[in-house]
Amino acid sequence: EADIYQTPRYLVIGTGKKITLECSQTMGHDKMYWYQQDPGMELHLIHYSYGVNSTEKGDLSSESTVSRIRTEHFPLTLESARPSHTSQYLCASTGGTSYEQYFGPGTRLTVT
Amino acid sequence: KNQVEQSPQSLIILEGKNCTLQCNYTVSPFSNLRWYKQDTGRGPVSLTIMTFSENTKSNGRYTATLDADTKQSSLHITASQLSDSASYICVVSDRGSTLGRLYFGRGTQLTVWP
Repeated sequence: EADIYQTPRYLVIGTGKKITLECSQTMGHDKMYWYQQDPGMELHLIHYSYGVNSTEKGDLSSESTVSRIRTEHFPLTLESARPSHTSQYLCASTGGTSYEQYFGPGTRLTVT
Repeated sequence: KNQVEQSPQSLIILEGKNCTLQCNYTVSPFSNLRWYKQDTGRGPVSLTIMTFSENTKSNGRYTATLDADTKQSSLHITASQLSDSASYICVVSDRGSTLGRLYFGRGTQLTVWP
């Protein structure tokens, strides 16, 4: 099993709250990614990073922001949660020239 | 438009039976094709990765095939087990950028009954 962790695993929060979803990996991977996945639908890339201090927006527009201050840590923040943010958020990482992308267990977010 | 289409959308089989899942893609240029297994409420786990030059790859009871000419792939599961119940996702990577952009299918939901 890959050494990539996400917390919390489940989160129920009210509208307007600020939340941070944590993602950490211990594999020393330079590339990290955030995906959003709704039930029965494909994964959509919302943010990615090639390394420290490098972040880019993905294909799916998202009101979330990310930071990459340390190689192993790639948190995602929602400043003001809304019901439309209800979804599963998956973090992934890739190292060097490898094709292999390792996924974390995901955070299931519900905004009421 | 780069797309990945999977069929069937869902499949129910009895334990011990074999099954084959299909993936058609229009991604170009092509770098590699991956099959992932995603258990409910978990992140995807890689089963196989195939590049242009590979047309078959096995991982235990899972065998993936790739026809880069027709842009089709299949995942064959042999002697299914209850633990095979999951969503199987086909993912294609292009060669057009340093990111190696990934295109995801919606998955085939496999249920194995005892």
